[in-house]
Order: sequence, then C-alpha cells, then structure tokens
Amino acid sequence: GPKVLQIPSHQIIDMGQMVTLNCDPVSNHLYFYWYKQILGQQMEFLVNFYNGKVMEKSKLFKDQFSVERPDGSYFTLKIQPTALEDSAVYFCASSPDRVEQYFGPGTRLTVL
Amino acid sequence: QQKVQQSPESLIVPEGGMASLNCTSSDRNVDYFWWYRQHSGKSPKMLMSIFSNGEKEEGRFTVHLNKASLHTSLHIRDSQPSDSALYLCAADDTNAYKVIFGKGTHLHVLP
Repeated sequence: GPKVLQIPSHQIIDMGQMVTLNCDPVSNHLYFYWYKQILGQQMEFLVNFYNGKVMEKSKLFKDQFSVERPDGSYFTLKIQPTALEDSAVYFCASSPDRVEQYFGPGTRLTVL
Repeated sequence: QQKVQQSPESLIVPEGGMASLNCTSSDRNVDYFWWYRQHSGKSPKMLMSIFSNGEKEEGRFTVHLNKASLHTSLHIRDSQPSDSALYLCAADDTNAYKVIFGKGTHLHVLP
C-alpha cells in the first residue's frame, strides 16, 4: 500500500535544543497529521494540515511546536526549544480524503 | 473525560477464539470511526473504517456501528497469535478536523 516515510527514525538531543522531524507523505494526499505516542500509551493528536495551513491543533501542540511543508514535499514538525516531556514517538500520517490515514514508521525522540 | 472510550483495556483469547472489542464516543460531532492495529514498536495500520449504521465484514474482521449510541465494536473470529497487538479506535470530529484516538485494547491471543 501507499508508504509514508519519516526521517530520522531516532533522534537524541539535549533539552533546549531545536529538533526538526521530517515526513515524506504519499504524493497525492492532501491531509497531513502529526501524533505523539509515549511508549505503550495512547496515540495523541497534535495537529493537522490541509491546503497549506493548520486546520486544527490540540492542547499538546505547544507554542514551541510548528509545522510546515516548505517546498510542497516534506511535511515537518519543529520543536524549539525541546523539553524532557517531549520525549516520545512522533508519527506522521497522510490521507487523501480524511477517511483513510496512512501512518509513517515514526521518529523516536529522546530529550536528555 | 476521554472522548473515545475503549473496553476492555486488555483481552486474552485462545487461538481460534472470537475477540470482541468495544469503542464509544461521547462527542456527538463524530462522523467516522476507524479501527487500527498497532504491533509493538510499529506504526498503526488501519483495519477498517465505518460511518454507516450496521455491519461491515472483511475476512475474519467484522465491525458494527450504532450511530445513535456512537458505539462501534470490532470482532475478530478465528483469532491467531499474530493478531496479538494494541487495537486503537479513532473517531473523526468533523467540526474540528481532528481525529481522536482511544487508549486502546491490548489483545493477547494464546497459542
């Protein structure tokens, strides 16, 4: 089936640093999502993005978070500055129609 | 309060048995429901979606939806050890463009 790619698979950074998580969505998809999942726990919606803009964001989407799709290809999640509680697996997903979401393999972020 | 509640939290069934998982939304704006399966250390994979009242069957998997009560259930017949995973129910809040996931049901199928 359609594949969503995420780079890197694992990122370790020091608290206070900036990190950018990259997602390569399915090429003809229009809706993009970021989720946060702490190991073994609930999948938490962060933000979704459609037609070049943020449509909805959750309370977890702090001011330190930002998303963009700078050149129409990669969809990025930037955290600046990072905090210890940002350690989690971040999944991006894309969808052609909001009905079917395809998840990437995730980026495991460790903030020290 | 969780907007999407799943039960049970954990379920153990013997190989070949039937697994039944439940999900209810407290948000009347919900339009679609999805069921995802997430194996340990992997990303969620969509199993089935449903938005009409009634039942939908795909292979060993059957999903029911009652829109009046906003309750959906997933039934897995002839369960296999490879079905052991975290099953996530998600609901689409059409007013808010966001998807809300439940906490999931951990299914363990014993060989």
